Amino acid sequence: GQNIDQPTEMTATEGAIVQINCTYQTSGFNGLFWYQQHAGEAPTFLSYNVLDGLEEKGRFSSFLSRSKGYSYLLLKELQMKDSASYLCAVTRGSTLGRLYFGRGTQLTVWP
Amino acid sequence: SAVISQKPSRDICQRGTSLTIQCQVDSQVTMMFWYRQQPGQSLTLIATANQGSEATYESGFVIDKFPISRPNLTFSTLTVSNMSPEDSSIYLCSVDQIDRGFSETQYFGPGTRLLVL
Repeated sequence: GQNIDQPTEMTATEGAIVQINCTYQTSGFNGLFWYQQHAGEAPTFLSYNVLDGLEEKGRFSSFLSRSKGYSYLLLKELQMKDSASYLCAVTRGSTLGRLYFGRGTQLTVWP
Repeated sequence: SAVISQKPSRDICQRGTSLTIQCQVDSQVTMMFWYRQQPGQSLTLIATANQGSEATYESGFVIDKFPISRPNLTFSTLTVSNMSPEDSSIYLCSVDQIDRGFSETQYFGPGTRLLVL
């Protein structure tokens, strides 16, 4: 099975930086996805990490440490529209489309 | 990026009935995936749908309850059978694609919001 853990809620202010952590214990680990989901909408792809290290995409960066079973999503220059649920998901084995999700972190950005 | 559509977008059903959800993709994909998101929860994988073979179900999900069809490389259906209020969820289909940079991306459809009374 898989055990994926992330904080339930986080708050931050506009313009700030926030780091959302995700830890996992998964057999046959392949890679880790981060998704953003606004209320009532489908998840939107943010990043996919397979190798250790940091990947930067504009205001969002994602980090993976395979040896530690740890990832984080870093959001810079927060905007009100970043208020959403952020989902961490792992893939296992050779079928890359099978994702196993954590419970999600609800981020609220205050003015 | 893949464009995924689902029908219906939402429905209200009576317990004991069945609903078939359709998923259409604008490009050919080898595998399609069905997920469920119960109220206030994260997503749970139901099954993987391959063209030309039976779907592969995750633990806790069975074919009799969630029969899946995959008649071609752009289309799949998920049926929620003999529904009960516990089946009230958002049902999403998903595909994975390799973009031009050879990086993996997983796309989700808009979801079907099901309420069972």
